Amino acid sequence: TQLLEQSPQFLSIQEGENLTVYCNSSSVFSSLQWYRQEPGEGPVLLVTVVTGGEVKKLKRLTFQFGDARKDSSLHITAAQPGDTGLYLCAVPRGGYQKVTFGTGTKLQVIP
Amino acid sequence: EAGVTQFPSHSVIEKGQTVTLRCDPISGHDNLYWYRRVMGKEIKFLLHFVKESKQDESGMPNNRFLAERTGGTYSTLKVQPAELEDSGVYFCASSPRGNTQYFGPGTRLTVL
Repeated sequence: TQLLEQSPQFLSIQEGENLTVYCNSSSVFSSLQWYRQEPGEGPVLLVTVVTGGEVKKLKRLTFQFGDARKDSSLHITAAQPGDTGLYLCAVPRGGYQKVTFGTGTKLQVIP
Repeated sequence: EAGVTQFPSHSVIEKGQTVTLRCDPISGHDNLYWYRRVMGKEIKFLLHFVKESKQDESGMPNNRFLAERTGGTYSTLKVQPAELEDSGVYFCASSPRGNTQYFGPGTRLTVL
């Protein structure tokens, strides 16, 4: 059983389309993070959400933390080829002493 | 500012051999972490150093894995003897105060 389940697992879309990826759990978290990983690189932190219902925007990316703090979504508007990568939700544990990662969503944006 | 660096980027060894992975954290970062992703699985925590001390090694899979951080600077992760199931990508991360972790590019280990 995975602590953080992400869906879809794979997503291939055309440039300019919108998309949403999801991160779900049965557990409640004090905070949740989203990372992006590109081939040959390590994960890079995009955002941390800490309040139930919180919405954060990073250019064309919109992150939302569920009201019950059990789930999160990432919405990308007008996807660009540069958005291609592996998107990971994650939960810092033990006071940010370690990070538990989700299963990941592999996004491909076709020009 | 240089990021987290890892060496080698790729290692191919035979079952039973020994491999040592190295991580150089961002200068001044006291916290250093090791993670790994094995095929088809999510990235999993292995252990956490604060300076030269092991803070948490609950994710280390077994005693074939030995991590060190002498002097509180770079760290090494040795696998001895390597088994087929050890294949995967090993990531190192560092942070100044245990908050945002900065990840290195990873070492891809292939055990044949």
